[in-house]
Amino acid sequence: EIVLTQSPGTLSLSPGERATLSCRASQSVGSYYLAWYQQKPGQAPRLLIHAASSRATGIPDRFSGSGSGTDFTLTISRLEPEDFAVYYCQQYGSSPITFGQGTRLEIK
Amino acid sequence: QVQLVQSGAEVKKPGASVKVSCKASGYSFISYFIHWVRQAPGQGLEWMGIINPSANSTSYAQKFQGRVTMTRDTSTSTVYMELSSLRSEDTAVYYCTRGARGSYYRDYFDYWGQGTLVTVSS
Repeated sequence: EIVLTQSPGTLSLSPGERATLSCRASQSVGSYYLAWYQQKPGQAPRLLIHAASSRATGIPDRFSGSGSGTDFTLTISRLEPEDFAVYYCQQYGSSPITFGQGTRLEIK
Repeated sequence: QVQLVQSGAEVKKPGASVKVSCKASGYSFISYFIHWVRQAPGQGLEWMGIINPSANSTSYAQKFQGRVTMTRDTSTSTVYMELSSLRSEDTAVYYCTRGARGSYYRDYFDYWGQGTLVTVSS
């Protein structure tokens, strides 16, 4: 199975700053079979990005995704207070579907 | 609007089984696959398997083969996930989630249930 490794484990930033989250796959997931989710405490995950760079419906344009093959990035251009949460990447290029271990984005 | 509403929290003893339901509304039930994903306390997300409500076909992650059964009732637009031979490591929040692309494995998840906490404790 494809192992996804997210870095950093925790990212401490202030509102207004730029956040860059990384997701690296143990083997290629294809050109775009990569999604990103946001999860807040006590809530279900929320889809942010699919196909590596396509924003889901209703997601603000400060969220952007990039990458292909084994290296992917989620960028939040200017952090808003509601963006502090845990972020997961997910690959769907190969069975079984797998998730990264998550990056916690916390307020500095 | 699309909704997936799950059944309430469960407490089970080791060795028992649990059956969690997920009622879909706001879309054509047979047109989208439903996946189950679980999350142990303080941990990440783990894919368990998938059911195609139209064909009533399933596919399970190897880790859960032999212990998990996914079924559906088209008359009530409800999907069920039953996990047997429970152990303490199965304590987790179990989510049903809709596959957006209609593919067994090549899919991401656009709508999620609220989650069902299953606690396994003696």
